[in-house]
Amino acid sequence: DAKTTQPPSMDCAEGRAANLPCNHSTISGNEYVYWYRQIHSQGPQYIIHGLKNNETNEMASLIITEDRKSSTLILPHATLRDTAVYYCIAERRSSGSARQLTFGSGTQLTVLP
Amino acid sequence: GAVVSQHPSRVICKSGTSVKIECRSLDFQATTMFWYRQFPKQSLMLMATSNEGSKATYEQGVEKDKFLINHASLTLSTLTVTSAHPEDSSFYICSARDAGELFFGEGSRLTVL
Repeated sequence: DAKTTQPPSMDCAEGRAANLPCNHSTISGNEYVYWYRQIHSQGPQYIIHGLKNNETNEMASLIITEDRKSSTLILPHATLRDTAVYYCIAERRSSGSARQLTFGSGTQLTVLP
Repeated sequence: GAVVSQHPSRVICKSGTSVKIECRSLDFQATTMFWYRQFPKQSLMLMATSNEGSKATYEQGVEKDKFLINHASLTLSTLTVTSAHPEDSSFYICSARDAGELFFGEGSRLTVL
């Protein structure tokens, strides 16, 4: 899996958009970009994933650059409950069950009141 | 999405005792489950891959005799920390894939006194 690089921490004001960057310059053509988050003392939670096109769901939007070397996770209206560590992971998507995820150090997002 | 449940969520034990943590896939069958360990302010580290009906695969540096894994059914994997010591105190998280996507349990915090 391609290595990803994220800033260690970010702050965001409550109600504003939180934009979390991720660099994955060595990503290969068949690797998806996945985002998970981990709220303190809980298991990681899936947020969103994408391959080439921008994606949006009820939690967030994912913007992937045209060259796929970087991406940005956008939380459109951050709340205090969005304070968590956000992990960006590049992974080949597989229908098989035997592939685990390798977590980097992630970005600690702190939403400020 | 699919649900993975862990029990107990918190456990405190005396040094030298053994502790069992259960991981269940509630609405899907998982031939493979993954066990992660997370120390404070660190990322998740894969410990082992649990395979239904066969031996678990351990990551380098993880003692298989200390961290016993049993995956006796398609919905249950157990991790037993044997002869626990204070340095085994950590947050243990299991995960499993359903339809290619990875889902995580809530985590189990082990404190060894």
